Amino acid sequence: EAGVVQSPRYKIIEKKQPVAFWCNPISGHNTLYWYLQNLGQGPELLIRYENEEAVDDSQLPKDRFSAERLKGVDSTLKIQPAELGDSAVYLCASSFTSSNEQFFGPGTRLTVL
Amino acid sequence: AQSVTQPDIHITVSEGASLELRCNYSYGATPYLFWYVQSPGQGLQLLLKYFSGDTLVQGIKGFEAEFKRSQSSFNLRKPSVHWSDAAEYFCAVGPSGTYKYIFGTGTRLKVLA
Repeated sequence: EAGVVQSPRYKIIEKKQPVAFWCNPISGHNTLYWYLQNLGQGPELLIRYENEEAVDDSQLPKDRFSAERLKGVDSTLKIQPAELGDSAVYLCASSFTSSNEQFFGPGTRLTVL
Repeated sequence: AQSVTQPDIHITVSEGASLELRCNYSYGATPYLFWYVQSPGQGLQLLLKYFSGDTLVQGIKGFEAEFKRSQSSFNLRKPSVHWSDAAEYFCAVGPSGTYKYIFGTGTRLKVLA
């Protein structure tokens, strides 16, 4: 069974540029999560989707971050414009429901110059 | 406030030696407890979890953890470390039955040949 797939794995951009990350969850998993992992820190939840609905986006900085999960499967996280402080690893995870074990993807490492 | 503390940022052990990684938490009730491992360039993989019952939990890759309510601890152990165990280890806590995990800052394990 394929795990959570994320792309790209690495991205380097200049500040003020837009960037997007893509996540394909495990087949059949209704819940999808985006996490931010700063260097030397544990992951922090940005947003959680139940199917196509964002049910918890309280930690998402909405002035520059946006996310979507059209059709309740794949998801995209966007930053526009990117700032130097956005350099981090962005992890996607999925679970069958919100009370089940979360499976993590390999992450996208973003570097903003 | 809810929090997770991993007091050791780095730990170095020799291959074949025993290992104990510490995790302390602050939580209002008995939470769900987890240990994840993250190898370089990889996502987080669940090693083990504690929900209730027997306080000694067995996980994958020969790891175990013991929940000690009186000490608010959930330390991870392995009797004999292998070179492939070199990675970063994260302890996490969450309310029972929900997705809101709080991760510690991680412990980076180095294994000497």
